[in-house]
Amino acid sequence: GEDVEQSLFLSVREGDSSVINCTYTDSSSTYLYWYKQEPGAGLQLLTYIFSNMDMKQDQRLTVLLNKKDKHLSLRIADTQTGDSAIYFCAESVNGGKLIFGQGTTLQVKP
Amino acid sequence: DTGVSQDPRHKITKRGQNVTFRCDPISEHNRLYWYRQTLGQGPEFLTYFQNEAQLEKSRLLSDRFSAERPKGSFSTLEIQRTEQGDSAMYLCASSLSTYSYEQYFGPGTRLTVT
Repeated sequence: GEDVEQSLFLSVREGDSSVINCTYTDSSSTYLYWYKQEPGAGLQLLTYIFSNMDMKQDQRLTVLLNKKDKHLSLRIADTQTGDSAIYFCAESVNGGKLIFGQGTTLQVKP
Repeated sequence: DTGVSQDPRHKITKRGQNVTFRCDPISEHNRLYWYRQTLGQGPEFLTYFQNEAQLEKSRLLSDRFSAERPKGSFSTLEIQRTEQGDSAMYLCASSLSTYSYEQYFGPGTRLTVT
Protein backbone atom coordinates (compact mmCIF):
# COMPACT_ATOMS: atom_id res chain seq x y z
CA GLY A 1 0.00 0.00 0.00
CA GLU A 2 0.90 3.63 -0.19
CA ASP A 3 1.83 5.43 3.01
CA VAL A 4 4.15 8.31 3.81
CA GLU A 5 5.08 9.20 7.39
CA GLN A 6 6.82 12.22 8.86
CA SER A 7 7.53 13.50 12.33
CA LEU A 8 5.13 16.31 13.18
CA PHE A 9 7.33 19.04 14.62
CA LEU A 10 10.90 20.33 14.54
CA SER A 11 12.32 23.37 16.31
CA VAL A 12 15.75 24.84 15.49
CA ARG A 13 17.65 28.07 16.11
CA GLU A 14 18.30 30.50 13.31
CA GLY A 15 21.59 29.67 11.58
CA ASP A 16 21.49 25.99 12.53
CA SER A 17 20.84 23.18 10.07
CA SER A 18 17.41 21.54 9.98
CA VAL A 19 16.86 17.92 9.04
CA ILE A 20 13.34 16.74 8.24
CA ASN A 21 12.79 13.02 7.83
CA CYS A 22 10.24 10.94 5.95
CA THR A 23 9.59 7.25 5.36
CA TYR A 24 7.51 5.75 2.59
CA THR A 25 6.22 2.29 1.86
CA ASP A 26 5.68 2.03 -1.90
CA SER A 27 8.79 0.46 -3.38
CA SER A 28 7.59 1.35 -6.88
CA SER A 29 7.81 5.09 -6.13
CA THR A 30 9.70 6.77 -8.92
CA TYR A 31 9.88 10.33 -7.65
CA LEU A 32 10.08 11.73 -4.14
CA TYR A 33 9.35 15.34 -3.32
CA TRP A 34 9.56 18.06 -0.75
CA TYR A 35 6.91 20.78 -0.72
CA LYS A 36 6.68 23.83 1.56
CA GLN A 37 3.40 25.33 2.77
CA GLU A 38 3.17 28.68 4.52
CA PRO A 39 0.04 29.64 6.51
CA GLY A 40 -3.01 30.11 4.30
CA ALA A 41 -1.06 29.38 1.13
CA GLY A 42 -0.80 26.60 -1.44
CA LEU A 43 2.14 24.24 -1.75
CA GLN A 44 5.48 25.34 -3.15
CA LEU A 45 7.59 22.70 -4.88
CA LEU A 46 11.02 22.87 -3.24
CA THR A 47 12.83 19.96 -4.81
CA TYR A 48 12.45 16.38 -5.94
CA ILE A 49 14.68 13.38 -6.48
CA PHE A 50 14.46 10.42 -8.81
CA SER A 51 14.50 7.05 -7.11
CA ASN A 52 17.75 6.07 -8.85
CA MET A 53 19.61 8.91 -7.12
CA ASP A 54 21.07 8.97 -3.61
CA MET A 55 21.50 12.69 -3.15
CA LYS A 56 20.52 15.99 -4.68
CA GLN A 57 21.77 19.43 -3.65
CA ASP A 58 20.12 22.70 -4.53
CA GLN A 59 21.58 25.79 -2.84
CA ARG A 60 20.76 25.45 0.89
CA LEU A 61 18.75 22.28 0.36
CA THR A 62 20.17 18.75 0.39
CA VAL A 63 17.96 15.72 -0.22
CA LEU A 64 19.19 12.27 0.80
CA LEU A 65 17.44 9.09 -0.32
CA ASN A 66 18.03 5.66 1.19
CA LYS A 67 16.01 3.45 -1.11
CA LYS A 68 16.76 0.28 0.81
CA ASP A 69 15.23 1.71 4.00
CA LYS A 70 12.67 3.80 2.07
CA HIS A 71 13.88 6.88 3.94
CA LEU A 72 14.04 10.42 2.60
CA SER A 73 15.46 13.46 4.33
CA LEU A 74 15.63 17.19 3.65
CA ARG A 75 18.48 19.19 5.12
CA ILE A 76 18.20 22.98 5.18
CA ALA A 77 21.53 24.68 5.82
CA ASP A 78 21.73 28.00 7.68
CA THR A 79 18.02 27.92 8.55
CA GLN A 80 16.33 31.33 8.52
CA THR A 81 13.12 32.56 10.14
CA GLY A 82 11.60 32.69 6.65
CA ASP A 83 12.00 28.91 6.49
CA SER A 84 9.33 28.51 9.19
CA ALA A 85 6.53 26.57 7.49
CA ILE A 86 5.06 23.09 7.10
CA TYR A 87 7.16 20.74 4.96
CA PHE A 88 5.50 17.86 3.15
CA CYS A 89 7.18 14.78 1.82
CA ALA A 90 5.42 13.14 -1.13
CA GLU A 91 5.89 10.22 -3.48
CA SER A 92 4.60 9.36 -6.90
CA VAL A 93 4.86 6.53 -9.38
CA ASN A 94 5.92 7.69 -12.83
CA GLY A 95 4.94 11.29 -12.15
CA GLY A 96 1.26 10.65 -11.47
CA LYS A 97 -0.76 11.46 -8.38
CA LEU A 98 1.15 12.55 -5.31
CA ILE A 99 0.85 10.74 -1.98
CA PHE A 100 1.67 13.11 0.86
CA GLY A 101 2.79 12.70 4.44
CA GLN A 102 1.12 14.60 7.29
CA GLY A 103 3.67 17.38 7.17
CA THR A 104 6.41 18.53 9.54
CA THR A 105 6.03 21.95 11.15
CA LEU A 106 9.42 23.67 11.24
CA GLN A 107 9.76 26.38 13.86
CA VAL A 108 12.84 28.60 13.58
CA LYS A 109 13.71 30.56 16.70
CA PRO A 110 15.70 33.78 16.36
CA ASP B 1 3.87 32.77 -16.34
CA THR B 2 0.98 33.53 -14.00
CA GLY B 3 0.87 30.21 -12.16
CA VAL B 4 -2.14 28.09 -11.22
CA SER B 5 -5.15 30.15 -10.18
CA GLN B 6 -8.25 29.09 -8.27
CA ASP B 7 -11.58 30.77 -7.74
CA PRO B 8 -13.06 31.51 -5.30
CA ARG B 9 -10.40 31.60 -2.59
CA HIS B 10 -13.00 31.18 0.14
CA LYS B 11 -16.53 29.78 0.11
CA ILE B 12 -18.98 29.52 2.98
CA THR B 13 -22.11 27.53 2.29
CA LYS B 14 -24.96 25.94 4.18
CA ARG B 15 -25.25 22.19 4.43
CA GLY B 16 -27.18 20.76 1.51
CA GLN B 17 -26.20 23.46 -0.98
CA ASN B 18 -24.20 22.83 -4.14
CA VAL B 19 -20.84 24.53 -4.72
CA THR B 20 -18.54 24.77 -7.73
CA PHE B 21 -14.85 25.66 -7.78
CA ARG B 22 -12.73 26.62 -10.75
CA CYS B 23 -9.07 25.98 -11.48
CA ASP B 24 -7.01 27.57 -14.26
CA PRO B 25 -3.75 25.67 -14.80
CA ILE B 26 -0.46 27.07 -15.98
CA SER B 27 -0.72 27.79 -19.70
CA GLU B 28 0.07 24.73 -21.85
CA HIS B 29 0.04 22.35 -18.88
CA ASN B 30 -2.02 19.42 -20.08
CA ARG B 31 -2.31 17.59 -16.74
CA LEU B 32 -4.55 18.94 -14.00
CA TYR B 33 -5.00 17.48 -10.51
CA TRP B 34 -7.45 18.06 -7.66
CA TYR B 35 -6.51 17.41 -4.03
CA ARG B 36 -8.28 17.97 -0.73
CA GLN B 37 -6.53 19.04 2.46
CA THR B 38 -8.10 19.01 5.91
CA LEU B 39 -6.63 20.77 8.93
CA GLY B 40 -3.41 19.18 10.15
CA GLN B 41 -3.20 16.70 7.28
CA GLY B 42 -1.36 16.44 4.01
CA PRO B 43 -3.27 16.84 0.74
CA GLU B 44 -5.19 13.79 -0.49
CA PHE B 45 -5.56 13.03 -4.18
CA LEU B 46 -9.08 13.31 -5.63
CA THR B 47 -8.79 13.10 -9.40
CA TYR B 48 -6.72 14.10 -12.42
CA PHE B 49 -7.12 14.94 -16.08
CA GLN B 50 -4.85 14.70 -19.06
CA ASN B 51 -6.27 17.22 -21.51
CA GLU B 52 -10.04 16.71 -21.26
CA ALA B 53 -9.88 13.03 -20.24
CA GLN B 54 -10.38 12.17 -16.57
CA LEU B 55 -7.82 9.42 -16.09
CA GLU B 56 -8.08 8.56 -12.41
CA LYS B 57 -10.51 9.11 -9.54
CA SER B 58 -9.89 8.38 -5.88
CA ARG B 59 -12.26 6.32 -3.76
CA LEU B 60 -12.57 9.56 -1.73
CA LEU B 61 -14.52 11.07 -4.60
CA SER B 62 -18.08 10.16 -3.68
CA ASP B 63 -21.03 10.39 -6.08
CA ARG B 64 -21.66 13.92 -4.80
CA PHE B 65 -18.39 15.11 -6.34
CA SER B 66 -17.92 15.67 -10.03
CA ALA B 67 -15.05 17.22 -11.93
CA GLU B 68 -14.84 18.36 -15.53
CA ARG B 69 -12.28 19.78 -17.89
CA PRO B 70 -14.36 20.28 -21.00
CA LYS B 71 -11.84 21.90 -23.33
CA GLY B 72 -8.66 20.68 -21.76
CA SER B 73 -7.91 24.06 -20.20
CA PHE B 74 -9.68 25.11 -16.98
CA SER B 75 -11.40 22.61 -14.71
CA THR B 76 -14.37 22.74 -12.36
CA LEU B 77 -15.04 20.69 -9.24
CA GLU B 78 -18.66 20.53 -8.10
CA ILE B 79 -19.87 19.24 -4.77
CA GLN B 80 -23.59 18.53 -4.55
CA ARG B 81 -25.57 18.45 -1.30
CA THR B 82 -22.61 19.60 0.77
CA GLU B 83 -22.00 18.06 4.18
CA GLN B 84 -20.00 19.44 7.10
CA GLY B 85 -17.34 16.81 6.42
CA ASP B 86 -16.68 18.46 3.06
CA SER B 87 -15.14 21.46 4.83
CA ALA B 88 -11.53 21.53 3.66
CA MET B 89 -9.04 23.28 1.40
CA TYR B 90 -9.43 22.17 -2.21
CA LEU B 91 -6.15 22.39 -4.08
CA CYS B 92 -5.51 22.27 -7.78
CA ALA B 93 -2.18 21.47 -9.42
CA SER B 94 -0.95 21.24 -12.99
CA SER B 95 1.95 19.77 -14.89
CA LEU B 96 3.18 19.02 -18.38
CA SER B 97 2.82 15.35 -19.21
CA THR B 98 6.39 15.35 -20.50
CA TYR B 99 7.52 16.74 -17.13
CA SER B 100 4.70 15.21 -15.13
CA TYR B 101 6.88 14.92 -12.07
CA GLU B 102 6.78 18.69 -11.58
CA GLN B 103 3.35 19.53 -10.17
CA TYR B 104 2.66 23.17 -9.37
CA PHE B 105 -0.10 24.06 -6.96
CA GLY B 106 -2.58 26.90 -6.84
CA PRO B 107 -3.46 28.83 -3.66
CA GLY B 108 -6.50 26.64 -2.96
CA THR B 109 -10.19 27.23 -2.26
CA ARG B 110 -11.15 27.02 1.40
CA LEU B 111 -14.67 25.60 1.81
CA THR B 112 -16.61 25.97 5.05
CA VAL B 113 -19.92 24.14 5.32
CA THR B 114 -22.13 25.41 8.16
